[in-house]
Amino acid sequence: EAGVTQSPTHLIKTRGQQATLRCSPISGHTSVYWYQQALGLGLQFLLWYDEGEERNRGNFPPRFSGRQFPNYSSELNVNALELEDSALYLCASSLGLAADTQYFGPGTRLTVL
Amino acid sequence: GQQVMQIPQYQHVQEGEDFTTYCNSSTTLSNIQWYKQRPGGHPVFLIQLVKSGEVKKQKRLTFQFGEAKKNSSLHITATQTTDVGTYFCAEHNDYKLSFGAGTTVTVRA
Repeated sequence: EAGVTQSPTHLIKTRGQQATLRCSPISGHTSVYWYQQALGLGLQFLLWYDEGEERNRGNFPPRFSGRQFPNYSSELNVNALELEDSALYLCASSLGLAADTQYFGPGTRLTVL
Repeated sequence: GQQVMQIPQYQHVQEGEDFTTYCNSSTTLSNIQWYKQRPGGHPVFLIQLVKSGEVKKQKRLTFQFGEAKKNSSLHITATQTTDVGTYFCAEHNDYKLSFGAGTTVTVRA
């Protein structure tokens, strides 16, 4: 069974640009979560999608947004990139509302120059 | 900010020795999960504790949830080089994980 996949592996952007990160959950999982892992700040919850709806949002500005597609894959969009957005962005999936265990993908390393 | 605090931030261990990492909260936790992230890797789920005073073992790893459900610990015996990585505790609440800052473990051979 394939795990959570993310693309691209690495992404380099400049300040002010937009970044789009993609995630495919484990087959059968309907919930997708996004986390930011910045150096020195640990893992911070960004967004949770389930059945195509945004269910919960972390303490991040509106320029962090996303969506979930009918096949349960998800996109994270970061607009007006700032230097401090440089981080590893991790996607996780779970079986849905009743599931406690989240399975993480390998992440996308975003570098903002 | 983070609800759970982890100590120590760094742990340097001689191969073969034991060590413990702690997770503390000022409020009662619904549950506590532990994850391991190898260098350059992503977090991997280890275990979840739900009940007050619960103790679970995985080979050389022993996980404990405090009686008041405000703290948890991970104890590793006979440390091996494969134990290198960052260990995170996290509370699963409101359908999101709130992570501690992690304990980064290095092992001296």
